[in-house]
Order: sequence, then structure tokens, then C-alpha cells
Amino acid sequence: SSELTQDPAVSVALGRTVRITCQGDNLGDFYASWHQQKPGQAPVLVIFHKDNRPSGIPDRFSGSSSGSTASLTITGAQAEDEADYYCASRDTNGNHVFGTGTKVTVL
Amino acid sequence: EVQLVESGGRLVRPGGSLRLSCAASGFTFGNYNMNWVRQAPGKGLEWISYIGSGSGTIKYADSVKGRFTVYRDNAKNSLYLQMTSLRAEDTALYYCAREETYCTSRDCSDPVDSWGQGTLVTVSS
Repeated sequence: SSELTQDPAVSVALGRTVRITCQGDNLGDFYASWHQQKPGQAPVLVIFHKDNRPSGIPDRFSGSSSGSTASLTITGAQAEDEADYYCASRDTNGNHVFGTGTKVTVL
Repeated sequence: EVQLVESGGRLVRPGGSLRLSCAASGFTFGNYNMNWVRQAPGKGLEWISYIGSGSGTIKYADSVKGRFTVYRDNAKNSLYLQMTSLRAEDTALYYCAREETYCTSRDCSDPVDSWGQGTLVTVSS
């Protein structure tokens, strides 16, 4: 399957660490990227090529991957990190595919 | 600064047609592969179309194949999506999205790295 599956929602206390996972058969062959989407806004790339951050993305965001699972970790979550997070990768045809999305709530 | 500005979204009747546009600035548009991604209200992201930098390669998701046509005009720094035979399930915010190729000494990947603000297409009678 080319689907990317994420937990629908997670919560994290302010200043604590949260890990969001993304499972997909193709993640062993293609890198994952992660996109943050705040309400009413366009997505923003936060992690690419497994563990790289675009300029301007805080270093509390990090990525990792093992086998068919990719992970996004927010270390020291801030109130402004509350958002939907989507993983992305490629399907067997090489087309973009997005995960089901995880809503992160910062308590 | 990379800017992608979509336009053309509106209310359209089922079976109708619409053309979306994406105006690019802040980068050499003709050097980049581009995509259209949509998001139905309250739902997740769905990739629907890809066009290579020189229009040599074009791809569609099965959900739009045969109904939508993507094309670009590199001289005008613009990307387009011609949509026909629209259905209620095509109702969504349509995003223009740029790909960037990133390489290390080991390998490369090409994620979407920039998004427009989207244009809303509503298909309803």
C-alpha cells in the first residue's frame, strides 16, 4: 500500500516532548517530509530529507526514520506548535502522497 | 522570497469547468517541478497533479485523471489547472506547491518545499 498512516491526535504539555509517527510501506524506499498546518493557513515544510530543517524552522523540530516508520519530534513544545502535522513521501508510482494528519494540542 | 499566489476558485455547478492559476515569483520558475494539492473542508491533503519543469512529464491522481489538465507557461511564471466535469467531491482548497530537489553525498529527495495560500473551489448546485 502507498498510504501513510498517522495517529489522528496527540496532546503534549507545554515545554514537554511529543513524537508524531507516520507509517507506510514505501518509507523504507523514500524519505519522509513533514508539513505543519495551522488553522486557516497553508501548510509549511518543517522537516525534509528525513531530518533536515528549512531555514527559519526552530531546532526543537527534528525528524527520524526507521524502516516503514518516520517520526517528527517536537522537543520542548510551545503554544505556537499547536497545529495539524502531515507527513509526506512518495507512492509506488513516484507521486507525492500525504499522511492522514495528526492534530497536536499543546496543553 | 518564494511566493505562490493561486486564483480562479469560485462556486461552480456540477458538470462545470474552471481554470485555476498560480503566479510564481521570487525564484526561477522554469527550473522547478510543480504540483497541485487540494484539501477538502475539514480533511487532509491530497496530491492531484504534477508537471515537470519543462512540461515533459505530467502526472495525475486517479481521482482527477481524464477531467483535469495541468500546464504551465514558464515565460509568464505561471502554473494552471484546467478542471472539467466538476463534481461535488472536487470541492476543496486548491494549493499550488513547488518541489525542491535536495541531495546529499548519498542520495536525493524532492519534497514539496513551498505552498501558496490556496484558492477555494466549491462545486454545488
